[in-house]
Amino acid sequence: DAGVIQSPRHEVTEMGQEVTLRCKPISGHDYLFWYRQTMMRGLELLIYFNNNVPIDDSGMPEDRFSAKMPNASFSTLKIQPSEPRDSAVYFCASTGGLPGGELFFGEGSRLTVL
Amino acid sequence: DQQVKQNSPSLSVQEGRISILNCDYTNSMFDYFLWYKKYPAEGPTFLISISSIKDKNEDGRFTVFLNKSAKHLSLHIVPSQPGDSAVYFCAASDSSDYKLSFGAGTTVTVRA
Repeated sequence: DAGVIQSPRHEVTEMGQEVTLRCKPISGHDYLFWYRQTMMRGLELLIYFNNNVPIDDSGMPEDRFSAKMPNASFSTLKIQPSEPRDSAVYFCASTGGLPGGELFFGEGSRLTVL
Repeated sequence: DQQVKQNSPSLSVQEGRISILNCDYTNSMFDYFLWYKKYPAEGPTFLISISSIKDKNEDGRFTVFLNKSAKHLSLHIVPSQPGDSAVYFCAASDSSDYKLSFGAGTTVTVRA
């Protein structure tokens, strides 16, 4: 079975540009999470969805960040406009199991904003 | 405000010896704890977990210990192998919720 699929794997952009990161969760998983990894803070939860509905977006840093899940097999995380401090690795994860259990992560999208 | 803390950013250990990774948490509602392992350019993968009803869980070379009164858990790797060189993340959750709170990670280097 395919795991969580993220694209692009690497993105280099200039400050002020729009960035869109994409995620396809594991088929049948009804929870999808967006995390950001930085050296200082490790893995931070940005937002998560259940059955395509945003449940908790308290981790989204600013209005420049937005996330959507138009259907069960696709989600996007958008940053507009991007800033150098947004440079990080962004991970998508999904689960269909019990609360508190294992999340399955994609390989991440490394974003560099110049 | 990080609810899960890994205060050692790195650990270097000789092959064959024990690696001990520590993790502290502040949220008393957390009742399920997980360790994830991450290699460069890959996503984190689940390693081992423990429920708050237990104080120890073992899986091969990996053992997790939980001290609820101290809000502390540790991961022991015995014996350490070169393939164990990776970043290890501690994570915790309230089992009524689906989201995991992660620590900042500890980079383990196993020396041959």
